[in-house]
Amino acid sequence: AQSVSQHNHHVILSEAASLELGCNYSYGGTVNLFWYVQYPGQHLQLLLKYFSGDPLVKGIKGFEAEFIKSKFSFNLRKPSVQWSDTAEYFCAVNKGTNAGKSTFGDGTTLTVKP
Amino acid sequence: DGGITQSPKYLFRKEGQNVTLSCEQNLNHDAMYWYRQDPGQGLRLIYYSQIVNDFQKGDIAEGYSVSREKKESFPLTVTSAQKNPTAFYLCASRSDIKGSTEAFFGQGTRLTVV
Repeated sequence: AQSVSQHNHHVILSEAASLELGCNYSYGGTVNLFWYVQYPGQHLQLLLKYFSGDPLVKGIKGFEAEFIKSKFSFNLRKPSVQWSDTAEYFCAVNKGTNAGKSTFGDGTTLTVKP
Repeated sequence: DGGITQSPKYLFRKEGQNVTLSCEQNLNHDAMYWYRQDPGQGLRLIYYSQIVNDFQKGDIAEGYSVSREKKESFPLTVTSAQKNPTAFYLCASRSDIKGSTEAFFGQGTRLTVV
């Protein structure tokens, strides 16, 4: 069974610090990769996604993620975080041919101190 | 506005009672999903449906049941057989079943067993 690991459960940063959240998955075939964000009191929403092509994908609010196939990784980055980035971040993976069983990581809570 | 509506937002149930959580979408999406979100455990898939009148068990289906009589609706029943039903439940939908699109989520229902 595929699994998704997010290594950082809680990250605390000051504003303007750089962010990198790790995500590794176990499935070896074709995958679709996602990062979702859940701001306090709001519903989960898509931050960015990768299906094919350029392994460096850019999402909303200055976030980007790089797919490194050899490392089975899809780490999320942002060069300078803001207080409004405080949220919970989820990495998700599904097999390229079947969206039915998307697997989510355990989530990383990011707290940005003003 | 198009979206996914879950109701109610908060739900209290007595032990031994079944309860049904509502999920409605007006996005014309084929696929719908139910996830359970527990602190530190991310999102775990309960059931999913890729077409009307068909649904599949996810990773933690025991103690739950669903139906998909209409494209727009995918209610989840938490039965008395579910040993630890207190949780946050998320419904999601996706426009296709191939995995190339992201999921859209509802606001969630927080179920508490008293």
